[in-house]
Amino acid sequence: GAVVSQHPSWVICKSGTSVKIECRSLDFQATTMFWYRQFPKQSLMLMATSNEGSKATYEQGVEKDKFLINHASLTLSTLTVTSAHPEDSSFYICSVSPGASGYTGELFFGEGSRLTVL
Amino acid sequence: GQNIDQPTEMTATEGAIVQINCTYQTSGFNGLFWYQQHAGEAPTFLSYNVLDGLEEKGRFSSFLSRSKGYSYLLLKELQMKDSASYLCAVIQSTSGTYKYIFGTGTRLKVLA
Repeated sequence: GAVVSQHPSWVICKSGTSVKIECRSLDFQATTMFWYRQFPKQSLMLMATSNEGSKATYEQGVEKDKFLINHASLTLSTLTVTSAHPEDSSFYICSVSPGASGYTGELFFGEGSRLTVL
Repeated sequence: GQNIDQPTEMTATEGAIVQINCTYQTSGFNGLFWYQQHAGEAPTFLSYNVLDGLEEKGRFSSFLSRSKGYSYLLLKELQMKDSASYLCAVIQSTSGTYKYIFGTGTRLKVLA
């Protein structure tokens, strides 16, 4: 299976600061990456679809100015939580769909990043 | 929009069989996955169904009925390590793009 590396695994920050989370596809080129958020005892909620070389597609209710996504290369997508607040504390996890858009095979997940905002 | 529903929690005994259901209402259906997730970890792939019928893989089987918007995951010979959350995910395809939408998730507890 594909290898997806996500960093950092956990981060604690003060309210009002920004946090960047990186998602790297280590062994294949990923034109599409997905960012999910998961609150305790809940399922994965799709936040946005990250597209290499173009703007991300955000799901309804997700603030694009707060959750900045950059997919500058075929192996790296970043999620920046700007001006973080305690309610942003969550488990953020990226996933990768190999190959060109239109592929609908297995999703490969990063290890996830647990964000705690004090 | 889309709705993907699963029972919130289930409990079963070690060695038994358990069936976890998933019902969905979504446009542009293009397949359904089942994932297992242990607390604090990333989901791991279990199965994929795109056509109607049963897919068997060792102790795990998954069934799909597209006309009914229904799938289930069947776990046989339950082991303690099977205690985890089980997530069904639907691929929704629209105008050449696609995304993976996860269900509400089912927390399974396996008792000795």
